Amino acid sequence: SQELEQSPQSLIVQEGKNLTINCTSSKTLYGLYWYKQKYGEGLIFLMMLQKGGEEKSHEKITAKLDEKKQQSSLHITASQPSHAGIYLCGADAHGSGNTGKLIFGQGTTLQVKP
Amino acid sequence: NAGVTQTPKFQVLKTGQSMTLQCAQDMNHNSMYWYRQDPGMGLRLIYYSASEGTTDKGEVPNGYNVSRLNKREFSLRLESAAPSQTSVYFCASSGPGQGNTIYFGEGSWLTVV
Repeated sequence: SQELEQSPQSLIVQEGKNLTINCTSSKTLYGLYWYKQKYGEGLIFLMMLQKGGEEKSHEKITAKLDEKKQQSSLHITASQPSHAGIYLCGADAHGSGNTGKLIFGQGTTLQVKP
Repeated sequence: NAGVTQTPKFQVLKTGQSMTLQCAQDMNHNSMYWYRQDPGMGLRLIYYSASEGTTDKGEVPNGYNVSRLNKREFSLRLESAAPSQTSVYFCASSGPGQGNTIYFGEGSWLTVV
């Protein structure tokens, strides 16, 4: 079965610094999702990537899927306290990209120090 | 614009008690899911329902039952709660036309003592 490994597990950065979170799959990714979770709340959808080499941005967050479609990165530029939370990557459990059944990495906890 | 609504938000149970977590979505989605989230384990799929009237086991189904009552509602039942079922439970749904993006409820905190 497919597994997703996130790194780092936790991250503390100073406000204004850039950071990158990685998500690596044991199999080819046909749909890679990034979610953000604040403590005590549900998961908020950030972005979905499907094509090798694809890159999407939303405000100061950019997500990329590598050409081989086995690794994705989430990059935050000029981090702010509002970026703090847990970031999770998810991918289709069967690798087909169409089932909607997502498996998730363990998550990366981000703290941003003012 | 409610999205995915799950109840209750918090619940404390004694070992052996039963309870049902309720979930409803108003986005006309076909697929619904129940996940549990534990520290260091990420999110794990318990059961899912691809459409009304169908359910399938996920990664960790033991100790749980589900019912897809109609297109909107998908409930998760713990027949005899165990301390190992202490967790945060998330209901989610997805539908065609949105790239199968999954939308989550706000979570239900369950403690079994």
